[in-house]
Amino acid sequence: NAGVTQTPKFQVLKTGQSMTLQCAQDMNHEYMSWYRQDPGMGLRLIHYSVGAGITDQGEVPNGYNVSRSTTEDFPLRLLSAAPSQTSVYFCAIKGVNTEAFFGQGTRLTVV
Amino acid sequence: KQEVTQIPAALSVPEGENLVLNCSFTDSAIYNLQWFRQDPGKGLTSLLLIQSSQREQTSGRLNASLDKSSGRSTLYIAASQPGDSATYLCAVRHMDTGRRALTFGSGTRLQVQP
Repeated sequence: NAGVTQTPKFQVLKTGQSMTLQCAQDMNHEYMSWYRQDPGMGLRLIHYSVGAGITDQGEVPNGYNVSRSTTEDFPLRLLSAAPSQTSVYFCAIKGVNTEAFFGQGTRLTVV
Repeated sequence: KQEVTQIPAALSVPEGENLVLNCSFTDSAIYNLQWFRQDPGKGLTSLLLIQSSQREQTSGRLNASLDKSSGRSTLYIAASQPGDSATYLCAVRHMDTGRRALTFGSGTRLQVQP
């Protein structure tokens, strides 16, 4: 998935720990978003941003923070990890009239 | 609230068959619909994007149709191959301005038997 880079690919956290999932793009698309994918539930929107300095909540924002200081980066912060946040996280980007492009995902396990 | 449903949840077919995957959505006020492919443990790869004003899009052996008024889309795969085995997801983009969020179905897991 050229253009969208997510790090790390895998992470194990203990309950209560905090961490940041990184998402970087090199396609200069203004729209970036974070989804989580859980078995049998498809992908659900956590937070999104329509441009630098602008963020908003999606469907399941609780327990997560985001910021967008540059066009290229859109980090997702877990403030105090909980087992319910065990999931696969995807970052996506989109231009004005383009299709959406997804990163390879971060597989997070909270124990 | 927009809901997207994909039927069937899983499908197993012998190699060479033509097959149809179904996607339905509850709110017809969509901007576009996108079909993705996801291989196990991997990210999503975009297959086809259909704008709300379009009826279908084609790419190789894939053809996606859109009937916005009835809230349905189909993905047709011709002459299926084992390499087509993956989960296929459809997603619709809302008409509401600003969000550009996608609402996903739960996917159809396809297995093509050699």
